[in-house]
Amino acid sequence: QKEVEQNSGPLSVPEGAIASLNCTYSDRGSQSFFWYRQYSGKSPELIMFIYSNGDKEDGRFTAQLNKASQYVSLLIRDSQPSDSATYLCASSSGGSYIPTFGRGTSLIVHP
Amino acid sequence: KAGVTQTPRYLIKTRGQQVTLSCSPISGHRSVSWYQQTPGQGLQFLFEYFSETQRNKGNFPGRFSGRQFSNSRSEMNVSTLELGDSALYLCASSGTSGSREQFFGPGTRLTVL
Repeated sequence: QKEVEQNSGPLSVPEGAIASLNCTYSDRGSQSFFWYRQYSGKSPELIMFIYSNGDKEDGRFTAQLNKASQYVSLLIRDSQPSDSATYLCASSSGGSYIPTFGRGTSLIVHP
Repeated sequence: KAGVTQTPRYLIKTRGQQVTLSCSPISGHRSVSWYQQTPGQGLQFLFEYFSETQRNKGNFPGRFSGRQFSNSRSEMNVSTLELGDSALYLCASSGTSGSREQFFGPGTRLTVL
């Protein structure tokens, strides 16, 4: 059974701080990893994907992948209240390419 | 490029009825996946269609079915609705290159009374 685990939170950070969201996965065959942001009542929006060990940066977002530890993280620098949402982590393997989703971490950025 | 579209956005049905949801993928995307999202279970994979063929299937009963047309548009059908089928139904499309990341539509909110 492929599993992606996330702390449900909520993770509360002050505006301007760095928010760190973490995710572990069970399938060692996983090759691609995704972070989605989902606002309440809306659909998930893809914000980052990563498939190589190390860091990948895009604006205020940095995704980090450690395949040896089966660990993925998302850092949000200079957090804003508009970043308050649920963040879903997902992984997929080269077989079906169907991602397995975690249950999501709720992030609250307070002014 | 237009995103994934889903219709209708909201539906209210009663137990025992059936419902059909529609999804149009991003232009050029041939893979369409369907998910059910509930507060209790999170995002659950229903099935994936590619070139009019069901390529992958999740663990849902046979009341849940789907199809894909030659223009890659997809429909999902749920027969004999149950109260527990109340959920947000999401469609996602993906291309055939790279990490094949999925892009979600706005979803259809189904309420079964």
